[in-house]
Amino acid sequence: AQTVTQSQPEMSVQEAETVTLSCTYDTSESDYYLFWYKQPPSRQMILVIRQEAYKQQNATENRFSVNFQKAAKSFSLKISDSQLGDAAMYFCATFGNEKLTFGTGTRLTIIP
Amino acid sequence: GAVVSQHPSWVICKSGTSVKIECRSLDFQATTMFWYRQFPKQSLMLMATSNEGSKATYEQGVEKDKFLINHASLTLSTLTVTSAHPEDSSFYICSAREGIVHEKLFFGSGTQLSVL
Repeated sequence: AQTVTQSQPEMSVQEAETVTLSCTYDTSESDYYLFWYKQPPSRQMILVIRQEAYKQQNATENRFSVNFQKAAKSFSLKISDSQLGDAAMYFCATFGNEKLTFGTGTRLTIIP
Repeated sequence: GAVVSQHPSWVICKSGTSVKIECRSLDFQATTMFWYRQFPKQSLMLMATSNEGSKATYEQGVEKDKFLINHASLTLSTLTVTSAHPEDSSFYICSAREGIVHEKLFFGSGTQLSVL
């Protein structure tokens, strides 16, 4: 079984500043993947970043980076130089045993 | 990137009728497709997993007879909500996996179902 916990229902950040969204997970799988998805008002799920659990190096995609702490089962997302277009729901997810399990999401607001 | 087309985007139907939602992978073969349900301001909940040519695997608590899933080809999966009732009103999203690569998951744009 897999569980994903996002303890921050809402976050806000000033435009151009940096924000970190928290995520912890639990899984019995030895081979799994971790994801952050963005869901804007259109509700289209957009992949932000992915991390293979067997890789120690933290994934980075332009302004988005993760802090993957495998022993602590923590997978936080850092957004640098926040932009207005970053405003959305952000879901942390883990894929293992052929299933993608989502957290409850964090609503990110960007303050102009 | 790969495209998953989901239709219709929204549908309104009368209580007791059936509604079919299609999910197509346009430029890749999807060996596995997943169906999710999302209530307002909530997360995505996995309803079922379907593999081409075999019966879908439903999550606990999901009624198989109400939510019929067919994955007849490597590019098409359908979800039929049978005898829909107002409590079935929700946002339904499909995702498709390309081959067996775990991280190659692509989402459709979702279907908002409203049952009157």
